[in-house]
Amino acid sequence: GAVVSQHPSWVICKSGTSVKIECRSLDFQATTMFWYRQFPKQSLMLMATSNEGSKATYEQGVEKDKFLINHASLTLSTLTVTSAHPEDSSFYICSARKWGGGLWQETQYFGPGTRLLVL
Amino acid sequence: SQKIEQNSEALNIQEGKTATLTCNYTNYSPAYLQWYRQDPGRGPVFLLLIRENEKEKRKERLKVTFDTTLKQSLFHITASQPADSATYLCAPGANTGNQFYFGTGTSLTVIP
Repeated sequence: GAVVSQHPSWVICKSGTSVKIECRSLDFQATTMFWYRQFPKQSLMLMATSNEGSKATYEQGVEKDKFLINHASLTLSTLTVTSAHPEDSSFYICSARKWGGGLWQETQYFGPGTRLLVL
Repeated sequence: SQKIEQNSEALNIQEGKTATLTCNYTNYSPAYLQWYRQDPGRGPVFLLLIRENEKEKRKERLKVTFDTTLKQSLFHITASQPADSATYLCAPGANTGNQFYFGTGTSLTVIP
């Protein structure tokens, strides 16, 4: 199998502070990870593709200075929400795909998600 | 722009019946399509993948069809159970690029 973990699972912070969320692939190497955001009763919205050793690729409309992504190792990507505001409150989920046989394997393995509440 | 729509936001069915969920896509030519299940407050879990050259795929009580002409996939759960209650998401995939976009999701409730 493939396991992806996220930490923390829950975070409450004051407006204006920064919050870091970690995403780890526990039993495989993930050169690429994905960060999604999900509002209540809505689908997952892709925010960015995190690439190990290089800059992340952000989706249109996602502020790269607001959502800093670092993918410094083959098993860890971090998402930092800078100067968080109440409208950043959401469910953040990361995922990773395995690379094998010269191809990206199609299945995505998701972390359990991090719920962020900004007061 | 690419668009992925799922038939309805919420679907309620009686236990034992077959649930049918629809995924329609536009401005897309996916080489395959995946279905995921998401329970409240958790990350999605992979269920099934069907490729463009496959008409139908089955796994236990689950069946997926893929019609590239209609640009549609149908997801069936037969003999539904209350434990099948969850949100189901479709995700068409392309051979180029490695990112995924998800459909709007359908919340299924199986009533005992």
